[in-house]
Amino acid sequence: GAGVSQSPSNKVTEKGKDVELRCDPISGHTALYWYRQSLGQGLEFLIYFQGNSAPDKSGLPSDRFSAERTGGSVSTLTIQRTQQEDSAVYLCASSSGQGAFNEQFFGPGTRLTVL
Amino acid sequence: GENVEQHPSTLSVQEGDSAVIKCTYSDSASNYFPWYKQELGKRPQLIIDIRSNVGEKKDQRIAVTLNKTAKHFSLHITETQPEDSAVYFCAASSGNTPLVFGKGTRLSVIA
Repeated sequence: GAGVSQSPSNKVTEKGKDVELRCDPISGHTALYWYRQSLGQGLEFLIYFQGNSAPDKSGLPSDRFSAERTGGSVSTLTIQRTQQEDSAVYLCASSSGQGAFNEQFFGPGTRLTVL
Repeated sequence: GENVEQHPSTLSVQEGDSAVIKCTYSDSASNYFPWYKQELGKRPQLIIDIRSNVGEKKDQRIAVTLNKTAKHFSLHITETQPEDSAVYFCAASSGNTPLVFGKGTRLSVIA
């Protein structure tokens, strides 16, 4: 079946602009995660959606970052007033079931470059 | 919160030799420890995981060991092959909290 997809694959923007990154999880997966991967760094957790529960936003680095998951499926990560330090690969992952015990399936990522 | 340290950051081994990557964690409540492999230009994929009720788990050429007392766990790859070259990430979670990942180890297997 289809895996996790993300769009766009690459995004170049100017400092101060807003960007929206999209994630389509595997059909039926109730959990959805967003991570940021900077060069030479690990996977930095940003936000976690589980079913209809309130999202875990504990990883969002500032109030310029927000995410939504509509209808329990597609998710959008929004970064407002982008800064150069926001440049990174943004990865989305989904899993079945609740909790970290379930394997996370990653998307190909969106490479964001802020000029 | 949880903090995961991973060593080494880079590792080069001759084909056929073994590779060991070590991680430490800080939260004694953590009980789930997966390892993800990310090949160049590709997405991370789960290769093996271990829960705190066991001390070791094997899957063909890869194995993971866990020492709960010392709060560290390790990935062992035997008889390394060029296709093992990738970045490996360890992670930890209590199950109810999101995974906290290490910074990764870039493994190069030299033919």
